[in-house]
Amino acid sequence: DTVLTQSPALAVSPGERVTISCRASESVSTLMHWYQQKPGQQPKLLIYLASNLESGVPARFSGSGSGTDFTLTIDPVEADDTATYYCQQSWNDYTFGAGTKLELK
Amino acid sequence: EVQLVESGGGLVQPGRSLKLSCAASGFTFSNYDMAWVRQAPTKGLEWVASISTGGGNTYYRDSVKGRFTISRDNAKSTLYLQMDSLRSEDTATYYCARPIMYTTDPFAYWGQGTLVTVSS
Repeated sequence: DTVLTQSPALAVSPGERVTISCRASESVSTLMHWYQQKPGQQPKLLIYLASNLESGVPARFSGSGSGTDFTLTIDPVEADDTATYYCQQSWNDYTFGAGTKLELK
Repeated sequence: EVQLVESGGGLVQPGRSLKLSCAASGFTFSNYDMAWVRQAPTKGLEWVASISTGGGNTYYRDSVKGRFTISRDNAKSTLYLQMDSLRSEDTATYYCARPIMYTTDPFAYWGQGTLVTVSS
């Protein structure tokens, strides 16, 4: 299985820039996607194919990377961005990272 | 508007069976691969199974192979997950999910989930 390792929990202040990393155990090309999940809700797709913004998602969110190293950036962070963020690869079946919990100071 | 509505969850004893359903609307169901994704309490997301548009191709994670069966009824726009020989580690919220279009696409649409609790 392709294992995805995400950065640990992060705490940032509103208005700051935050980057969340995801490293794959093998190359997944650009078949990497990012989701946001708030407590009690289903996941919401933010970024697909590493860098494409899903329709309706604010331009504050962006993604980059290819191969094994990927990044989700939120700039600037807003209070409503408090959530857990998951990366997911679709190169080899589907696997998700363990999630990065983003808290606002 | 795309809608996915899961049902069929509940409390079940280890070793017993349960069948989940997902009613789809707002899109041509037969044109899309579909999947089930689960999330154990306070844990992360885990892909469970996928099925092709016609139902002829199915894919499972190793831990559910031989115990779970994904199927679909395109005439009813409904996705199913038959879960047999349930274990405590299958306890989770089960989401029905639809990719943007193709198998390698991410899951653009999710249901609200149905909770399955396996316990004696």
